[in-house]
Order: sequence, then structure tokens, then C-alpha cells
Amino acid sequence: AQKVTQAQTEISVVEKEDVTLDCVYETRDTTYYLFWYKQPPSGELVFLIRRNSFDEQNEISGRYSWNFQKSTSSFNFTITASQVVDSAVYFCALVYGGSQGNLIFGKGTKLSVKP
Amino acid sequence: EAQVTQNPRYLITVTGKKLTVTCSQNMNHEYMSWYRQDPGLGLRQIYYSMNVEVTDKGDVPEGYKVSRKEKRNFPLILESPSPNQTSLYFCASSFSGGAYEQYFGPGTRLTVT
Repeated sequence: AQKVTQAQTEISVVEKEDVTLDCVYETRDTTYYLFWYKQPPSGELVFLIRRNSFDEQNEISGRYSWNFQKSTSSFNFTITASQVVDSAVYFCALVYGGSQGNLIFGKGTKLSVKP
Repeated sequence: EAQVTQNPRYLITVTGKKLTVTCSQNMNHEYMSWYRQDPGLGLRQIYYSMNVEVTDKGDVPEGYKVSRKEKRNFPLILESPSPNQTSLYFCASSFSGGAYEQYFGPGTRLTVT
């Protein structure tokens, strides 16, 4: 079965703290893609990153970084020096090789960054 | 401007009254998809379409229908809405398949009484 687990339902931090959002996935396919999307309080969904199963390189984009580890089936997201504007719900998602149309989202982690 | 549009944005209806939520994209994307978002359940895929006349079920297709007669449009049809279909609905599109970045519409908040 294909599954995405975001165990942290809500996280609250104070501005400038670092925070890591966890994502654990399950799939039997060797080819798959992982995503992170952000949903700010305004409600729109915004793409953050895509990673395929053959590329385990970590990625950094400004204050954002992603740690992909196949050994633990995890694709964690870290925000360094968090800001109030980072407050949002963050979703991790999986699409697997067997059905490249069927996206499976985690339940999301609500991040609140307080000034 | 590249975008995905949905109409209506808000809809209150009654049980059993057929409705259609339209979705249109202007990016010539092959792939389109519908999701519903419910508190505590995240986003769940209803149906997706890999191309014109090619549609398939997602994880929660019961009570919904879709069609893809043109590349740009992917309407979601509720033939007989029920209160458990009260939800926030998102349409999305991507270049080719779900393995690519998806562009989401603004959402349609549906209430069925």
C-alpha cells in the first residue's frame, strides 16, 4: 500500500527558531516522486519541491532545506530561522511509478510561527 | 497569466440537487486532477485525467463524476450531492502526469445541507 505519514499535526515555534517537518512514506515501487506543498492562511496551495526516488541529494533553497533518506523512507523539511510568513499548513505528497496520476497526500502539518 | 480557474468559488446547495464545479487551465497541461480537503484528513484525490478522454479514479471517487472532453477543462459533477460531500475542493493541473509540479486552482467551498 502507498501511504504518506506526517506525524506532527501542529507545531508552534518562536520566530528565528529552526523547525523540521517530518514526512514518512510507504511504497513498494522503486520509481516514485515526493513533493512538498505549502498552504498559507489565504488557502492557496503552492509547490515547494519535487524529488525523484533516484536522487537522494539533499536540497537547499534559501532558508528551506530538504533531507531525503531512502533508508528510512523519509523526506523531511527544515526551515531555518523561521519567520511569521512561514506560518502555513505543509503537505508532503507521493506519486508512485505504478500509477503516475494517483497522488497521495499526507494529512499536513500546521506550522505556527509566533513573533 | 498562467492559471487554473474554478467556478463557483462558493456554493451552498441542498441534498440531491445536481451540480457541476468547473475547472479550466490555460497552460496546455495534459494532466488534471480533483482533490477534496477536509479537516484532519488532508487532501484526498477524487479523480484525475492523464489526457483528453482519459480519466481514472483517485482515492475517494464515490459520488463524483468527471469528464475530459477538452484539454483545458475538467469539470467535477455531483449527480446527487449529500452532506458528507461538504468540503473544500481543489482542481490542479500539471505538464504531464502527477510526477510534475501541480498548479492548483483557488478552491471551491461546497456546503450541502
